[in-house]
Amino acid sequence: DGGITQSPKYLFRKEGQNVTLSCEQNLNHDAMYWYRQDPGQGLRLIYYSQIVNDFQKGDIAEGYSVSREKKESFPLTVTSAQKNPTAFYLCASSIPDRGSYNEQFFGPGTRLTVL
Amino acid sequence: GESVGLHLPTLSVQEGDNSIINCAYSNSASDYFIWYKQESGKGPQFIIDIRSNMDKRQGQRVTVLLNKTVKHLSLQIAATQPGDSAVYFCAESENTGFQKLVFGTGTRLLVSP
Repeated sequence: DGGITQSPKYLFRKEGQNVTLSCEQNLNHDAMYWYRQDPGQGLRLIYYSQIVNDFQKGDIAEGYSVSREKKESFPLTVTSAQKNPTAFYLCASSIPDRGSYNEQFFGPGTRLTVL
Repeated sequence: GESVGLHLPTLSVQEGDNSIINCAYSNSASDYFIWYKQESGKGPQFIIDIRSNMDKRQGQRVTVLLNKTVKHLSLQIAATQPGDSAVYFCAESENTGFQKLVFGTGTRLLVSP
């Protein structure tokens, strides 16, 4: 999985609870991303970070929050405000602005189920 | 908004056949395209990429073709193997400042022995 780890692999939570998904990379990449994947659908961008202490909202940021205090870590918090949090969450990293390339390396994913 | 889509949601082939997975994109400003392979329960894995200044690029058993005139991208897999069974995504990116990838919905490839 390209030096990106996500934990846990499976996560269950009750409605109304916040939960934090971990993402760590040892690729020395500046940029990191969080995607959500629903069954039979493509990946949708939640948040991304180009550099430490900076992050931007993606296409579906509502109900989520992130932090980027360290280069290698980009945790995602799914808050109780997220209406439909059950999904497969994928973290990725890349070396940004390398010419016109933006190959992203993905972690193994965390499957979150709200009970 | 701009999006990337796929023509066929499921493709079934026999082992040894060649597979062709298609992708249409709508953003004429996109200049970088990637194909990813995703096995069940795992994260996507990079297969091959291509820039808009190229029409064709070959890798090991895979070829990507880009037709900018009709905004069409295809992934060809030669001598398909059971291990190729997965969902394949195309993604595109526009080279304006920080690049974000826009992913298609995916095509499931099923390879029968």
